[in-house]
Amino acid sequence: GAVVSQHPSWVICKSGTSVKIECRSLDFQATTMFWYRQFPKQSLMLMATSNEGSKATYEQGVEKDKFLINHASLTLSTLTVTSAHPEDSSFYICSATDRNTEAFFGQGTRLTVV
Amino acid sequence: EDQVTQSPEALRLQEGESSSLNCSYTVSGLRGLFWYRQDPGKGPEFLFTLYSAGEEKEKERLKATLTKKESFLHITAPKPEDSATYLCAVGEKLTFGTGTRLTIIP
Repeated sequence: GAVVSQHPSWVICKSGTSVKIECRSLDFQATTMFWYRQFPKQSLMLMATSNEGSKATYEQGVEKDKFLINHASLTLSTLTVTSAHPEDSSFYICSATDRNTEAFFGQGTRLTVV
Repeated sequence: EDQVTQSPEALRLQEGESSSLNCSYTVSGLRGLFWYRQDPGKGPEFLFTLYSAGEEKEKERLKATLTKKESFLHITAPKPEDSATYLCAVGEKLTFGTGTRLTIIP
């Protein structure tokens, strides 16, 4: 299957700082990338959908000014958690698709805000 | 609004004991039902896509089937390494169920 690389795999940051998570499609051009959040023992909750070259579409209840998403190229999308607080601690996962195939997922990023 | 319900929430099986996981769904225009496997602390790993009722797909000990309202993931003679959470999803934006946490006991 296609490879999606997510970096970093884990990060610890201080409350009030910003954290950037990268999602790269390594062997295909991802026209669409999705960002999810997952709490322990719960399923993936879609945060936003980003299409290359356009603004991300956020799900209801997701603060777009807090979770900045950039999809500047066909192989890279970034999620920046701005002014992070302990309640933002979670597992963040990206997925990528070229719309002709199923979505492939990154390995996830464990964010801990202290 | 797309909805996915998976059952059971958790399942413990002895090694070699076959069983099935259920995924019931409602979706406005099925563009595929997807099965993923997720290990703790990792992203989901793609298993199958099913597009139309009656379709079946197999991979090693797993077989996925699809009807108009639900999908089953059958696991035959499972091994401990099959222990994971199995997720199904539907829709263009991949609406996920809460998953079935499968544990295979040696």
